[in-house]
Amino acid sequence: ETGVTQSPTHLIKTRGQQVTLRCSSQSGHNTVSWYQQALGQGPQFIFQYYREEENGRGNFPPRFSGLQFPNYSSELNVNALELDDSALYLCASSFPTPGQKGNTQYFGPGTRLTVL
Amino acid sequence: GQQLNQSPQSMFIQEGEDVSMNCTSSSIFNTWLWYKQDPGEGPVLLIALYKAGELTSNGRLTAQFGTTRKDSFLNISASIPSDVGIYFCAGQVLNQAGTALIFGKGTTLSVSS
Repeated sequence: ETGVTQSPTHLIKTRGQQVTLRCSSQSGHNTVSWYQQALGQGPQFIFQYYREEENGRGNFPPRFSGLQFPNYSSELNVNALELDDSALYLCASSFPTPGQKGNTQYFGPGTRLTVL
Repeated sequence: GQQLNQSPQSMFIQEGEDVSMNCTSSSIFNTWLWYKQDPGEGPVLLIALYKAGELTSNGRLTAQFGTTRKDSFLNISASIPSDVGIYFCAGQVLNQAGTALIFGKGTTLSVSS
């Protein structure tokens, strides 16, 4: 158990809808990263939040957005869902400050999103 | 998106055998990590490596950070059935905004008893 929790566990949406996924970071961790894992692939970095600010972004369109709250929990929002958005969405929390040695990321169990 | 070259893609071994898998990249990384993922679960950290040349063990697992900083390997000795799963390598760069992990495609390990 890493102490990182995600909700919901599974979600089914239809194309064009919007979805919000949630993540609670491990106690004491101030950085949350989000990843998308398609079937049979390794996780792909979406973005990272540090102290409520976006702190790096991967190659994902603007319809993928996020938030981090004062308690360091985070949300991933995806607008105008497409069929290819079907994937396991993982969040990972870490500490201390990004950019320092030892910023090891610990993953939650993921949210399985299916877009029909 | 960018991914590391991880090999082999899959392995079928007998219980008790040793296993070796590796990861290469065209880019230099400051940190190499190895994760294991079971079906329907998130990746679980096995070993983290922070210095070129570093060799680190975690029980039956041993991993090394290549001296060129562009590769890493993971060895599992005396495999057991619970070693079954998908093993991912990940590289991390610490000299830019954000500290994204770049993952390999994974090595699927099957162990027969």
